[in-house]
Amino acid sequence: RKEVEQDPGPFNVPEGATVAFNCTYSNSASQSFFWYRQDCRKEPKLLMSVYSSGNEDGRFTAQLNRASQYISLLIRDSKLSDSATYLCVVTLIYNQGGKLIFGQGTELSVKP
Amino acid sequence: GAVVSQHPSRVICKSGTSVKIECRSLDFQATTMFWYRQFPKQSLMLMATSNEGSKATYEQGVEKDKFLINHASLTLSTLTVTSAHPEDSSFYICSARDPRTASEAFFGQGTRLTVV
Repeated sequence: RKEVEQDPGPFNVPEGATVAFNCTYSNSASQSFFWYRQDCRKEPKLLMSVYSSGNEDGRFTAQLNRASQYISLLIRDSKLSDSATYLCVVTLIYNQGGKLIFGQGTELSVKP
Repeated sequence: GAVVSQHPSRVICKSGTSVKIECRSLDFQATTMFWYRQFPKQSLMLMATSNEGSKATYEQGVEKDKFLINHASLTLSTLTVTSAHPEDSSFYICSARDPRTASEAFFGQGTRLTVV
C-alpha cells in the first residue's frame, strides 16, 4: 500500500465548477499535512496547510480527518489558472527536518 | 519568504559522465535537505536526506554510490549523478524547511537532466 494515495486523474471540469480532491495516508503517526500545486515542468509550490479544524483560503478549503486518515481539498468556482497537478503531502516525523511524502498527484484541467 | 535555489536548471550530458547539481538555501540555514526525483507523469519520489556534516540517508532502492550527496555547509547540498545513463534522465528537485517557521517546505527550481 502506498503511504499517500490520491484520486487518480485527470479531472476535466468547466470553469466555475466545484472540484474535490481526496487523499488517504497510511501512517497514523503522520504529523503535518499539506496540499501542493505543481505546474508542468516546474517545482511544487505550497497551496495550503491542512489542519484538523479545517481551513479555508478564498476558493480553497482543506479538511483533515485523523481518525479516517483522510485529507481533502475543495476548489470552488474553478478558474482556468487552477489547471495544474495537485499533490497531497504528508510529513512523518517532524524532527527529521521536514521529510515530505508525496501522493502521486491528481491532474486538474479547467476548460472554458 | 525563504528561498531555495537549485542549479543548473537544465543539463544534457553524455552517457558515462557525471553531473553535479547544487541546492542552496538563500536566507536560512538548513541542516537537512531532501533530494527528490520525478519521472514524467509521476509524483516526486524521495531519493535521500542530506544531513549537514554527516552521511546522507538514502531511501530503499537508491544507490548511494551512484547518487553522491555532499552537505558540506548549512546552506549547500550537492547531488552528483555518477556514470550517468539514459535511464537517469529525470527531473531532480531539492527541498528544505526553514527551521524558523517550521512549516512550509521550499523547493529548488528543479534540474532537468537528459543523458544522451
